[in-house]
Amino acid sequence: NAGVTQTPKFQVLKTGQSMTLQCAQDMNHNSMYWYRQDPGMGLRLIYYSASEGTTDKGEVPNGYNVSRLNKREFSLRLESAAPSQTSVYFCASRTGTGGSQPQHFGDGTRLSIL
Amino acid sequence: TQLLEQSPQFLSIQEGENLTVYCNSSSVFSSLQWYRQEPGEGPVLLVTVVTGGEVKKLKRLTFQFGDARKDSSLHITAAQPGDTGLYLCAGIGTASKLTFGTGTRLQVTL
Repeated sequence: NAGVTQTPKFQVLKTGQSMTLQCAQDMNHNSMYWYRQDPGMGLRLIYYSASEGTTDKGEVPNGYNVSRLNKREFSLRLESAAPSQTSVYFCASRTGTGGSQPQHFGDGTRLSIL
Repeated sequence: TQLLEQSPQFLSIQEGENLTVYCNSSSVFSSLQWYRQEPGEGPVLLVTVVTGGEVKKLKRLTFQFGDARKDSSLHITAAQPGDTGLYLCAGIGTASKLTFGTGTRLQVTL
């Protein structure tokens, strides 16, 4: 079972470059999420998509954009990368937005910006 | 912004010892989840607690949700090296969005 797949696993960028992080899930989940994880700060929500066709800002959206391409795929774009965006990025999905269903996470993308 | 503080931030113990991790907030959550994360992987759900005062047991792990639904604890009895990892609490609040805690990194040695 693939679950949530993130690509790439590692990436090094120079300041000002752009890139798109890809995420796909094969569990037919409605909701998808993008988080960043920094030491001592847990996971912080960047953007989420409650259902296909909708996206909303999370706690730290500045400098990022997202696209819910279809029910399976949710991409995160950095238009002009900054060193402060060096982090580990996680994509997650779950069945719906209500209740306390678990979120299923990918294995992360480790992004370094020089 | 709802904040969840975990303590301790780091914990290094020997196999067989007991430990407790705390997750505290000034905000009320409708429910709370605990996740464990291993190096190079995403977090994996351990448990969800829903009712204030609820206690759930998962083998040697005991989870408790505070009466006021603002805090939670995770107690591990007779820790084993396989318990090593990053433990994250996550509160479920408005619009069912998760707010993650700051994390507790546990190292269990032989």
